[in-house]
Amino acid sequence: AQKITQTQPGMFVQEKEAVTLDCTYDTSDQSYGLFWYKQPSSGEMIFLIYQGSYDEQNATEGRYSLNFQKARKSANLVISASQLGDSAMYFCAMREGLRAGGTSYGKLTFGQGTILTVHP
Amino acid sequence: ETGVTQTPRHLVMGMTNKKSLKCEQHLGHNAMYWYKQSAKKPLELMFVYSLEERVENNSVPSRFSPECPNSSHLFLHLHTLQPEDSALYLCASSQDLGQGGTEAFFGQGTRLTVV
Repeated sequence: AQKITQTQPGMFVQEKEAVTLDCTYDTSDQSYGLFWYKQPSSGEMIFLIYQGSYDEQNATEGRYSLNFQKARKSANLVISASQLGDSAMYFCAMREGLRAGGTSYGKLTFGQGTILTVHP
Repeated sequence: ETGVTQTPRHLVMGMTNKKSLKCEQHLGHNAMYWYKQSAKKPLELMFVYSLEERVENNSVPSRFSPECPNSSHLFLHLHTLQPEDSALYLCASSQDLGQGGTEAFFGQGTRLTVV
């Protein structure tokens, strides 16, 4: 079963306006992390914002904010004051915290992505 | 100097060739990952190394062989690949969750084309 769902293959926004990218997730874990990454055409995955499942406040990082609704299992990304440089693919991801031996590592599961295009 | 560096950025190889992808991280992280990104598909986790030990192998064909000689370097050795293996291969690293740190940092990827 898919754990991360992004239902918007593509989104368009006018420069300087706000846009919301949707993300829903499915997990039975009590402790998990939610991430948003930006992937420009160059290919690199750029970390934008993180929300922990126990965080009571919605995460914010500059123009990015994460609208976390735990009961609905949604973690939407809000980009305020869009810029032309925001045009890229955006991925929502969920981390399962796993242990192997004496250490732990974060396994990220990604959604299908949303292509955002910012118009001048 | 970027945190996670991948080389080469682009690679074209024949189905009978042998090549290797290299990933180097300068962040002091102790977990490293290989992801495959095919067109119109979500990123797929291939391998995970934690403290230089392979801890996850997601049913990846044996024509892909990972190697982690130390905590800063990760390789993906390729041999007798198929055209459907053409994709963007992304390397990532993260810090042990028990010591803090949350996000994974990615390299710029290697765009692989198998002809």
